[in-house]
Amino acid sequence: EAGVAQSPRYKIIEKRQSVAFWCNPISGHATLYWYQQILGQGPKLLIQFQNNGVVDDSQLPKDRFSAERLKGVDSTLKIQPAKLEDSAVYLCASSLVPGTETNYGYTFGSGTRLTVV
Amino acid sequence: KQEVTQIPAALSVPEGENLVLNCSFTDSAIYNLQWFRQDPGKGLTSLLLIQSSQREQTSGRLNASLDKSSGRSTLYIAASQPGDSATYLCAVKEMDSSYKLIFGSGTRLLVRP
Repeated sequence: EAGVAQSPRYKIIEKRQSVAFWCNPISGHATLYWYQQILGQGPKLLIQFQNNGVVDDSQLPKDRFSAERLKGVDSTLKIQPAKLEDSAVYLCASSLVPGTETNYGYTFGSGTRLTVV
Repeated sequence: KQEVTQIPAALSVPEGENLVLNCSFTDSAIYNLQWFRQDPGKGLTSLLLIQSSQREQTSGRLNASLDKSSGRSTLYIAASQPGDSATYLCAVKEMDSSYKLIFGSGTRLLVRP
């Protein structure tokens, strides 16, 4: 079974520039998550999709961050304009429908490390 | 609001030692609790998942326990090896509509040869 694919692996941009990250979840996983992990901290949920609908985006800074999941498969996360404090690893994860007894957790991608200078 | 705390933040032990990592959470209304391993520059690998109705789970040299009433979980690593060096994160899955994971900040483990 292929894992969660993310690209790019690394990105360095100047503040006020824009950037986009891409995620391809495990085939058949209806739920897709974007997490932000700042150095020295645990991951924090930015947005959760169920198929192509948003379930939770309460912690997404909507003035600069946006995400979409067209056709309920791949997803992109965009930051425009970027700030220095956006430097972090952006992790994508997917799972079967959450809350079911057969859900044995998430599968995470390797992440995209963003540095804003 | 759920908060997850992990103690210690960092730990250095000699090879072969048994060790315990601690995780505490403030709201006992959780769906499950997971322990993850994170290697530098890598994503997260799920180690053990404990459903809210369970008390412990074991996998090889790893044993995780859950005491929901007191809001605590421990990860026990037996006979530690240098290859166990990594950051260990615990996360609780909420029982709200999103079932999102709330993570602790992790324990950075170094096992010295």
